[in-house]
Amino acid sequence: IAGITQAPTSQILAAGRRMTLRCTQDMRHNAMYWYRQDLGLGLRLIHYSNTAGTTGKGEVPDGYSVSRANTDDFPLTLASAVPSQTSVYFCASSEKAGGSTDTQYFGPGTRLTVL
Amino acid sequence: GQNIDQPTEMTATEGAIVQINCTYQTSGFNGLFWYQQHAGEAPTFLSYNVLDGLEEKGRFSSFLSRSKGYSYLLLKELQMKDSASYLCAAMDSNYQLIWGAGTKLIIKP
Repeated sequence: IAGITQAPTSQILAAGRRMTLRCTQDMRHNAMYWYRQDLGLGLRLIHYSNTAGTTGKGEVPDGYSVSRANTDDFPLTLASAVPSQTSVYFCASSEKAGGSTDTQYFGPGTRLTVL
Repeated sequence: GQNIDQPTEMTATEGAIVQINCTYQTSGFNGLFWYQQHAGEAPTFLSYNVLDGLEEKGRFSSFLSRSKGYSYLLLKELQMKDSASYLCAAMDSNYQLIWGAGTKLIIKP
């Protein structure tokens, strides 16, 4: 079934540890995104990639890094986790490259708790 | 700054009609999206408006007024499965989505 998968589904992590959240899409979409969702706040963009080989910073990029080595995968890394990074993380993708209005489709999310 | 406002929570009765409002302020505008998000799940796309007026899609309709920076989502013949959060998002001049905090819709029998 075509779509976006994320792993892990949930994770409890000690502060200071490194963590990579995985995201894979099989729709051959050009653009991919990482958001975090916190209670009472809208989805906030962390990083995005308009096409393989390029990445950009969103609204809240500090403490996170991404790479886009190929079309399908867009991992998000927390180099040294802090409790304020406790959140639900959603990966999304859209068919067209950046610079156009295009619907974003979301993965099931990763619930991350940093203690 | 960029901002999206929508009510935090609304309650409606099964079979009734409910209107969820959204106002937006963005740097440039490239359209308004509505998503549905059930608790513990991912947001799913409902509608997109870029021109003024009403777009109807089954029981759901979405309206946009660009001059007023205003949109609403209209849900008719409410069903219990419509209990969810409804997210309003405006696309700015950089084609980035600016998201509201969502409106939690509670449907009562």
